[in-house]
Amino acid sequence: GDSVTQMEGPVTLSEEAFLTINCTYTATGYPSLFWYVQYPGEGLQLLLKATKADDKGSNKGFEATYRKETTSFHLEKGSVQVSDSAVYFCALILYNTDKLIFGTGTRLQVFP
Amino acid sequence: EPEVTQTPSHQVTQMGQEVILRCVPISNHLYFYWYRQILGQKVEFLVSFYNNEISEKSEIFDDQFSVERPDGSNFTLKIRSTKLEDSAMYFCASSERVGGNTGELFFGEGSRLTVL
Repeated sequence: GDSVTQMEGPVTLSEEAFLTINCTYTATGYPSLFWYVQYPGEGLQLLLKATKADDKGSNKGFEATYRKETTSFHLEKGSVQVSDSAVYFCALILYNTDKLIFGTGTRLQVFP
Repeated sequence: EPEVTQTPSHQVTQMGQEVILRCVPISNHLYFYWYRQILGQKVEFLVSFYNNEISEKSEIFDDQFSVERPDGSNFTLKIRSTKLEDSAMYFCASSERVGGNTGELFFGEGSRLTVL
């Protein structure tokens, strides 16, 4: 079935370090791909998305490229800040369906 | 900025009791959802709701669960007879269009349910 696998956390980094959170997917059709973020005490927020192969989603310095050949959508940021500390969820959805399929989430902790 | 609000933020209940979790979606949204996350596990889809009826549900969403939109603003999830394994964080979400066509689901902060 359709699924999303993302790296286990927590990921612990110093401020200004480079971030990669890996995400791979399995899908029967052609999904759209997303990264959601959950800051402490808040709901899930859409961070970025990509709807077709080779699209790059970007927001707040974060980027992810839809790689169909490797079925991946890795999240990257060149220089993390303490305020980026949160849980990051990779997700997919198939066209014309209601169901977002999430990964387990990866907690990022950034220290000054 | 419009947001999805959920109440209560945390509820503790005894096994076998009925629980109602409440959500106020964003006012111009037409599609409503419940998801849940058992501690340490994935966020899982439970149900979607459009035009006053369920449009899709998962295998988790059995006869113990029900949803309704009683007054045009609230969207509720009822668990009739809670089990220990229902302990989880429950997220409500809403969207303007079918999720798969935009991907933009707006989520609430979640309601943590603890069943003892």
